[in-house]
Amino acid sequence: DGGITQSPKYLFRKEGQNVTLSCEQNLNHDAMYWYRQDPGQGLRLIYYSQIVNDFQKGDIAEGYSVSREKKESFPLTVTSAQKNPTAFYLCASSRGPGQGRTGELFFGEGSRLTVL
Amino acid sequence: AQSVTQLDSHVSVSEGTPVLLRCNYSSSYSPSLFWYVQHPNKGLQLLLKYTSAATLVKGINGFEAEFKKSETSFHLTKPSAHMSDAAEYFCVVSDPSGGYNKLIFGAGTRLAVHP
Repeated sequence: DGGITQSPKYLFRKEGQNVTLSCEQNLNHDAMYWYRQDPGQGLRLIYYSQIVNDFQKGDIAEGYSVSREKKESFPLTVTSAQKNPTAFYLCASSRGPGQGRTGELFFGEGSRLTVL
Repeated sequence: AQSVTQLDSHVSVSEGTPVLLRCNYSSSYSPSLFWYVQHPNKGLQLLLKYTSAATLVKGINGFEAEFKKSETSFHLTKPSAHMSDAAEYFCVVSDPSGGYNKLIFGAGTRLAVHP
């Protein structure tokens, strides 16, 4: 089945540590996204990528980094510079500009990060 | 600038009664509008979308929404709630000014369904 796989589902981190969240998709989508979700705040965009080897900052990129070396993969690193990293992180993908973009996002099941 | 306001943070209904989740939007363009559902500790799933075709949009699981330009609203309804409908619902508007598939999410409405 096509879809988006995020791992790990739950992650605990000590202050000062970097952690990397994995996101893999087999939908052949050009575009991928990382969102952060906090209670009562909806989803906020961290980074997005419209094509391999290119990515752009979203609304809350400080303290995060990404890479897009393969079409299928868009890992997110939460660095020690992120002041309040405890949150639920969602990866999504969509058709890109050259694929007949429909506007619909397809989401993974999320990764919950807790900083101890 | 695009924005979306979900008018209720929590809605509680009894099983078998109608559901109404309210959403108002602000858009400088002809908007594309979406409703997504999220069950606890899960990702979001598309319920339905409006993209300037029919103003009454039917989605999955018996949900529908009506686009009303004069009221800048896109309320989500279902005639009869089921226990499995308990979840969080997000109203979303697209923002084409971003140059990418930029979506603006509402803060969410948590729907509780009681027996």
